[in-house]
Amino acid sequence: GEDVEQSLFLSVREGDSSVINCTYTDSSSTYLYWYKQEPGAGLQLLTYIFSNMDMKQDQRLTVLLNKKDKHLSLRIADTQTGDSAIYFCAESRTASKLTFGTGTRLQVTL
Amino acid sequence: EPEVTQTPSHQVTQMGQEVILRCVPISNHLYFYWYRQILGQKVEFLVSFYNNEISEKSEIFDDQFSVERPDGSNFTLKIRSTKLEDSAMYFCASSAWSEVTGELFFGEGSRLTVL
Repeated sequence: GEDVEQSLFLSVREGDSSVINCTYTDSSSTYLYWYKQEPGAGLQLLTYIFSNMDMKQDQRLTVLLNKKDKHLSLRIADTQTGDSAIYFCAESRTASKLTFGTGTRLQVTL
Repeated sequence: EPEVTQTPSHQVTQMGQEVILRCVPISNHLYFYWYRQILGQKVEFLVSFYNNEISEKSEIFDDQFSVERPDGSNFTLKIRSTKLEDSAMYFCASSAWSEVTGELFFGEGSRLTVL
């Protein structure tokens, strides 16, 4: 079946850029997502990208997609303490049944 | 900003009891979903619902689970006879035109603890 993998933990200094990586196995993925989960909260949709795109930028967020390698990344520029959270990568063929990764816990230090 | 709301935020129940988790999707959305996240594990798809019927379900969604849209606003997940392994955070989600926009919005979750 489909699988999505992420590293479990990333620590960055405030003001630096964060890059969270994700790999997936489904070559038929159409949508690739990044969700943010703060402690005790739900899943907040940050951004998503269609599989026919290479890059999407939205303010401090840049998503890069390498479809050949099935690799997705999320870059957060000028990382702030409020960015500390768990970031989930997810993929879907139909934008209904999403397959999530394990989540990457981002810790932002002063 | 419109949002998906879920109740209760936390429910504790005894094994074997029935539980109903409630969700109010975003008002103009047509597609509704339940996902769950067992502590420390991945978020998993349970079921999708469109036009008053289940459009897809996972193997987790067995006969103990059911979904319903009893009126124009609520979307419910019922677990008929809860088991210890049903303890998890249950997320409701909704989307407008799923295959066009790709945007799936989640609620804050209902934590279910089965004792």
